[in-house]
Amino acid sequence: DIQMTQSPSSVSASVGDRVTITCRASQDISGWLGWYQQKPGKAPKLLIYAASSLEGGVPSRFSGSGSGTDFTLTISSLQPEDFATYYCQQAYSFPRTFGQGTKVESK
Amino acid sequence: QVRLQESGPGLVKPSETLSLTCTVSAGSINTNNYFWTWIRQPPGKGLEWIGNIYYSGSTQYNPSLRGRVTISVDTSKNQFSLKLTSVTAADTAVYYCAREARAYSAYYGMDVWGQGTTVTVSS
Repeated sequence: DIQMTQSPSSVSASVGDRVTITCRASQDISGWLGWYQQKPGKAPKLLIYAASSLEGGVPSRFSGSGSGTDFTLTISSLQPEDFATYYCQQAYSFPRTFGQGTKVESK
Repeated sequence: QVRLQESGPGLVKPSETLSLTCTVSAGSINTNNYFWTWIRQPPGKGLEWIGNIYYSGSTQYNPSLRGRVTISVDTSKNQFSLKLTSVTAADTAVYYCAREARAYSAYYGMDVWGQGTTVTVSS
């Protein structure tokens, strides 16, 4: 299985801050990566697909980059509704695997 | 806008079989380029991919579930289902169904999710 490792596990930030979350794959997955946002009690929501493509309806302050083994999700200016847990997920092979999650908390 | 809705018992006894159904509405399950997927999330933990099925019936499962999983599709009802046998307390989780979209050389993510259903394994 491909292991996905996110860092940090949690981050404390303020509204307006730039937030960066990193995801590392245990092997080359090219651009086969998605990023998801999950709020408490809700299903995950797709933000980014194919490592850097913004899902329709997702604000442009979210962006993704990377290829191979190292990927980044950036929130350019954190908004109140962005406090949530974020997961990366590889789609290079089965079984699909997720990172352990990064919780973005209010400082 | 395609919608997914999970249904099934919220309480299952240890050693019995967990059975859930996902109903697809406002779209057909009988479509190329979509994998119909089950994912679960134990309380306070991360996301675990269980498996998926293509409309043709082809399946992929997570080996960590040691052959306890079966996913099936009923195209006439626009539904797909999950069966997990010999459950234990470790199978207590929120279970989500989702649609994963991909073409041969392009990936579009798990773009539609059900709201999730909580399944508790307890006697």
